[in-house]
Amino acid sequence: GDSVTQMEGPVTLSEEAFLTINCTYTATGYPSLFWYVQYPGEGLQLLLKATKADDKGSNKGFEATYRKETTSFHLEKGSVQVSDSAVYFCALNGMDSNYQLIWGAGTKLIIKP
Amino acid sequence: GAGVSQSPSNKVTEKGKDVELRCDPISGHTALYWYRQSLGQGLEFLIYFQGNSAPDKSGLPSDRFSAERTGGSVSTLTIQRTQQEDSAVYLCASSSPSLTYEQYFGPGTRLTVT
Repeated sequence: GDSVTQMEGPVTLSEEAFLTINCTYTATGYPSLFWYVQYPGEGLQLLLKATKADDKGSNKGFEATYRKETTSFHLEKGSVQVSDSAVYFCALNGMDSNYQLIWGAGTKLIIKP
Repeated sequence: GAGVSQSPSNKVTEKGKDVELRCDPISGHTALYWYRQSLGQGLEFLIYFQGNSAPDKSGLPSDRFSAERTGGSVSTLTIQRTQQEDSAVYLCASSSPSLTYEQYFGPGTRLTVT
């Protein structure tokens, strides 16, 4: 079945550092890929998405490119801020998933000033 | 408009008691999902409602868990005879019929079974 594997956390960075959170997936066909974010004390919210190969999703300075050849959707940001501290979840919606989102385990990001 | 709301935000209960968790989805969203998030874990799908269709209960971990959705809006997740392993954050999400992958989440209910 479909699955998502995420980089284990926590990831701790200094403010203005470059961020990469790795996400790889297993799915048949061409799934849609997502990053959700959960800020402390808040609900999960969609951060960005890509629905076909080579698409780049972007939002709030974050980017992720749908790489079919490496089955990856790594999250990147050029200069992180303390306010980016949160838990980030990679997810997919594939042919086998129907309406369900298949979730990675989440990666906690801690940004120090 | 208001987002997804859940109540209570926190619930502490004794082992063996029944609990009810409530979710009020975004108005107009026909799809509603319940997930469970245990400490340090990803999201575990529990149940899915879509309009008037029969719900998909395939994720419910045992027959102690049940859920209803009345009038196509508010949903209640009931856990009977709670066990300590039921302790988790229970998340509700809703989505529009055309964008089922774009789910809007409530803040969750943190359940602690003592």
